[in-house]
Amino acid sequence: QKEVEQNSGPLSVPEGAIASLNCTYSDRGSQSFFWYRQYSGKSPELIMFIYSNGDKEDGRFTAQLNKASQYVSLLIRDSQPSDSATYLCAVRLGGAQKLVFGQGTRLTINP
Amino acid sequence: DTAVSQTPKYLVTQMGNDKSIKCEQNLGHDTMYWYKQDSKKFLKIMFSYNNKELIINETVPNRFSPKSPDKAHLNLHINSLELGDSAVYFCASSRTATYEQYFGPGTRLTVT
Repeated sequence: QKEVEQNSGPLSVPEGAIASLNCTYSDRGSQSFFWYRQYSGKSPELIMFIYSNGDKEDGRFTAQLNKASQYVSLLIRDSQPSDSATYLCAVRLGGAQKLVFGQGTRLTINP
Repeated sequence: DTAVSQTPKYLVTQMGNDKSIKCEQNLGHDTMYWYKQDSKKFLKIMFSYNNKELIINETVPNRFSPKSPDKAHLNLHINSLELGDSAVYFCASSRTATYEQYFGPGTRLTVT
């Protein structure tokens, strides 16, 4: 089992709809969870981080963490074509000082 | 006022050559990282320094040698380049090893 898993997609969502991206992780002791957005040919850009169970909202983005089920998700409301990118989930595994990244989900928002 | 910068942006070189990539951050962070992103876009950590001290050294060929002259700079030297070293190399930094990381623009290395 991979340490951090994401559905590689592509995930296609119509403009204005909610895009839902999911990530599961293997280490129950994991502490910190991050979502990065990466446009083609660009560097990963941090868009959300979450440390506690529950929801965290920032503008159109909501991160959801469920430690019991070992998953973290990212919701993008009112999706825009500019949201089309690869979304990387990163997890700081329990006791580790490094982030482990998932393989990324490619999201396409269709006008 | 770039936060994390890398030079060069592109690097094309032949097999067997030695090359260096430089990274600088002006965020006042204590921890810096080197990542490699392969052709399948998988991002994997290579090294991390905290206050000039090496804290993460993943299974990387010893042809790769990081150096941190101070906590704002982290360089990566690669000896005897191989075709498989072709990738995008990203530098990142964070306040400490447990905080969120910010990435530089990347260096696309092509070995021919």
